[in-house]
Parts: sequence; C-alpha cells; structure tokens
Amino acid sequence: AQSVTQLGSHVSVSEGALVLLRCNYSSSVPPYLFWYVQYPNQGLQLLLKYTTGATLVKGINGFEAEFKKSETSFHLTKPSAHMSDAAEYFCAVSDSDSWGKLQFGAGTQVVVTP
Amino acid sequence: DAGVTQSPTHLIKTRGQQVTLRCSPKSGHDTVSWYQQALGQGPQFIFQYYEEEERQRGNFPDRFSGHQFPNYSSELNVNALLLGDSALYLCASSLVSGAMGTEAFFGQGTRLTVV
Repeated sequence: AQSVTQLGSHVSVSEGALVLLRCNYSSSVPPYLFWYVQYPNQGLQLLLKYTTGATLVKGINGFEAEFKKSETSFHLTKPSAHMSDAAEYFCAVSDSDSWGKLQFGAGTQVVVTP
Repeated sequence: DAGVTQSPTHLIKTRGQQVTLRCSPKSGHDTVSWYQQALGQGPQFIFQYYEEEERQRGNFPDRFSGHQFPNYSSELNVNALLLGDSALYLCASSLVSGAMGTEAFFGQGTRLTVV
C-alpha cells in the first residue's frame, strides 16, 4: 500500500524567499512521485515528476524536487517565491503496478506575503 | 488541443437523487481516472477506466459507478446522493499504453453540491 504525508497544511513565505514543501511517502515498490499545483477553483497542474534516473528533478515555474530513497522523501523547493506561487500544492505517489493510479497527500496551502 | 474537459462545471442536487458527470480525455489518451476532492483535502481515487472496463477501484461504495465509451470519454454516476458526496470531482486522463509514469492531465472539475 502507498501513502503520502505532507508536513504542514499551511506555509507562509515572503516574496523572494525560499519555498520548501515537504513530502514523505511509503511504497512497497519503486515509486513514481509527482508534485501538482492547484489554483482556486481549478484542476491540478503537474509541476514535476520523478520516475527513474536523475534524482534531482526540475519542473515548471522554477520549482525542483529531489528524490531521496533513504529518507523516503520528495521535497519541493523554489529559490525565490513569487506572488503567483500562492496556491495549494499536492504531492502524489504512483507505482509501476498501479496503471497510473495516484495517491495524494492532504496538500499544503502556500501564502506569499509582499 | 482542448485538454481534459468536464461537464457540467457546477451542479446542485438534492439528497437521494442521482447525478451523472462527464469527461472527455486529452486527445490521444486512452485511460480515464476519477477522483473526489472534498473541501480542504487531497483528491481521493474513485476508479479508472481503460478499454471500456473498470481496471481499478478505490474505497468507494457501489453507489459510485462509471462507464467509458469507445471514443475514450467517460461518465461518473452517483446514486442515492448523500450530503457527504458534496465535493469537487476531478477527471484525469493518461496514456497507459505509453511509457510508465506517463503524466496524468486533469480537468477543471465538476463542483457537486448536495442539499
């Protein structure tokens, strides 16, 4: 069985500061890991994904994440927050046996202050 | 490319009624998954359709059923609506026959309110 834990339901960052969103997962098989962003009243947009290969993954809008197997983590970072980064962020896990079924975390709401 | 489209965008139903939500996948995709997102929570997997069959199912009662058509579009049906069924219902499409880990594209969702 898979599960995802996102630490912190709300994060407040100043514009220009580092954004760090934490995600830990459990999976009985090698996981595929994803970060999605959701703006108010909209669907989910993929920021980045890890399947195999390089453990540091770069995504859209300046975000990146690092897969650390030993820590079962896939934390999302962005060096400098922008006002447009205010949204809800979801970490999700899938595996090669599940035909793309995604298990989501509870989400982290990001607020960016001027 | 229109991406994943869902209809309607909003819906209000009375407890005990039945509802049908619709989804058209992204062009070239063959698999449709449905998720329920309650307010303040992450999406929960309902089920997935491929080749017009339900391939996987999450922990949802039989009141939730679906269908996939030959053109890959899909419907989600919910019978005997409960107040707790109020949520954003998201449809995601992907290409199972492609590389594993293929990105799932999500629609804008249908906001269902049960009163």
